[in-house]
Amino acid sequence: GEDVEQSLFLSVREGDSSVINCTYTDSSSTYLYWYKQEPGAGLQLLTYIFSNMDMKQDQRLTVLLNKKDKHLSLRIADTQTGDSAIYFCAENAFSGGSYIPTFGRGTSLIVHP
Amino acid sequence: EAQVTQNPRYLITVTGKKLTVTCSQNMNHEYMSWYRQDPGLGLRQIYYSMNVEVTDKGDVPEGYKVSRKEKRNFPLILESPSPNQTSLYFCASKTGAGNEQFFGPGTRLTVL
Repeated sequence: GEDVEQSLFLSVREGDSSVINCTYTDSSSTYLYWYKQEPGAGLQLLTYIFSNMDMKQDQRLTVLLNKKDKHLSLRIADTQTGDSAIYFCAENAFSGGSYIPTFGRGTSLIVHP
Repeated sequence: EAQVTQNPRYLITVTGKKLTVTCSQNMNHEYMSWYRQDPGLGLRQIYYSMNVEVTDKGDVPEGYKVSRKEKRNFPLILESPSPNQTSLYFCASKTGAGNEQFFGPGTRLTVL
């Protein structure tokens, strides 16, 4: 099957920038996503990018997409302790006539003072 | 309020005792899905459903059953639970062509 890969852990100091990286394999993905899971909660969509874009900015969040290398990154500027969570990269892989979401394993972001 | 609900939220059971985790959404979504989340393994899809009476296996379907008799409900059935099914389970839904998946709050299952 298709794979979405991301590192498992990232530790940053409060106020620094965080960059979470992801690689995917399905070149037919039309959208790529970042979901956030706070402790004890389900996943919530944080942001997404259309595959014909290479950058999307939303306040402190910047998503960069390198379609040639199938590489997606999420940059969080001025990281706060409230940003501590698990971040999942996901693609909409085409399978069986429909787009099926495929998730990475998640990156645990730890923000320390 | 648009939401995905799951019940129960927490369950401790014993090996072999059949159980059902319910999932319901009020957004008229066509697509529904079950995932399990385990440390170091992330989110793995168990089963999904494109619409009523249409279900398909995900990555880890062994030991699970699902049904989709109505659009809003997608129960997960464990006919004979085993300890390796101890996990955190999430139900999710989205429109057929939609982008965002909406997740339920999770069900933490422990099988002794």
